[in-house]
Amino acid sequence: QVQLQESGPGLVKPSETLSLTCAVSGGSISRSNWWTWVRQPPGKGLEWIGEIYQSGSTNYNPSLKSRVTISIDKSKNQFSLKLNSVTAADTAVYYCTSLTSRRFDYWGQGTLVTVS
Amino acid sequence: DIQMTQSPSSLSASVGDRITITCRASQSISTYLNWYQQRPGKAPKLLIHDVYTLQSGVPSRFSGSGSGTDFTLTISSLQPEDFATYYCQQSYNTAMYTFGQGTKLESK
Repeated sequence: QVQLQESGPGLVKPSETLSLTCAVSGGSISRSNWWTWVRQPPGKGLEWIGEIYQSGSTNYNPSLKSRVTISIDKSKNQFSLKLNSVTAADTAVYYCTSLTSRRFDYWGQGTLVTVS
Repeated sequence: DIQMTQSPSSLSASVGDRITITCRASQSISTYLNWYQQRPGKAPKLLIHDVYTLQSGVPSRFSGSGSGTDFTLTISSLQPEDFATYYCQQSYNTAMYTFGQGTKLESK
């Protein structure tokens, strides 16, 4: 079964760029599903950030679209998130997930990113 | 955006109780409705997809129903491991996936 693991800095300064990577194991990133990022501010609900397909096609949450880039590296079986010009409001646990048949079926354990 | 509203926001119940959580969409989403369970400090886990289909390995005490704008998640007989936060999520609008605000199920 597919396993996902997020990695990246846990602390980012305001106005800088948040960068995270999600390593996919137990299956090829070229399979027929989307790869997505979801975040959860401390004590709050879930927010979809965006997604990427194996072809490189992307979709982003309109509220974050101007600051977000999601990319894929098939040679490393991983995909990445960049969020620029961060503020304290971007402090959250960031999850990478797979989206299969319109459902988020596999999730990483999540990584807390603090903007301060 | 399609807004998803859950009720109640929190719920106290006891082991063995039957509980129901409601999720309402701001417009019709057909049957593109999923439910997730999140235990403290853990990632969400897919419980039910497409309104009533249990994800593999999910106990049969969980069930879902509804269509259009109104949906429910029912746990027929609460077990200790079911105390968690539950989220509904719509997949009708694939350009913008949205979740409900969550329902925290606590032990009475």
